[in-house]
Amino acid sequence: QVQLVQSGAELKKPGSSLKVSCKASGGTFRRYAISWVRQAPGQGLEWMGGIIPILRRPKYARKFQGRVTFSADESTSTAYMELSSLRSEDTAVYYCARGDYGDYGGNIYYYNMDVWGNGTTVTVSS
Amino acid sequence: DIVMTQSPDSLPVSLGERATINCKSSQSILYNSNNKNYLAWYQQKPGQPPKVLIYWASTRESGVPDRFSGSGSGTDFTLTISRVQAEDVGTYYCQQYYGAPLTFGGGTKVEI
Repeated sequence: QVQLVQSGAELKKPGSSLKVSCKASGGTFRRYAISWVRQAPGQGLEWMGGIIPILRRPKYARKFQGRVTFSADESTSTAYMELSSLRSEDTAVYYCARGDYGDYGGNIYYYNMDVWGNGTTVTVSS
Repeated sequence: DIVMTQSPDSLPVSLGERATINCKSSQSILYNSNNKNYLAWYQQKPGQPPKVLIYWASTRESGVPDRFSGSGSGTDFTLTISRVQAEDVGTYYCQQYYGAPLTFGGGTKVEI
């Protein structure tokens, strides 16, 4: 059974960058979509976008476009999320999550997420 | 973006009672060509990641107890817990995957 193991907690200064890793163990992830979802303290869930490793096609939520980069290394079954120009509002738990996707003539649809990482707590503070 | 609105925000229940959580989307999330509603329900317990309970609005994830059921179509959906158990305490979220960005409801906190 696949598990997603994320990198450890981070404390960052405003204006700096962040890179979080998400390693799949016990199974493959290349034919699934890997989404990134964040949750600010005491708040709900926010989808940042995702990547389908086998297609090497990332999809970014408009809110994060230009500030976030998703990548995947199939050789190590690891996905990465980089977020730049950090501000205090980026303080949150960041999750990676695996899910199915649909490909309709080149249009990719991300479906529900069935396996979630353990979460990476990111604190942005001066 | 599709806005998902859940009600209530908080739901106090007694053990063995029925719990009903509502979720409304700002536009239909029923895809006519396959007659599927692109909606999932998640349960999140404190300090843990979300866990999927239901997808395609009414398909129960493997291993999820059958006291959890999903219903609805188009823009109005319901998650029902037929007889609440102590371990069902947590926050429940609906999520649409009809279009990007995927969006979640604000959550409903179930308390005993």
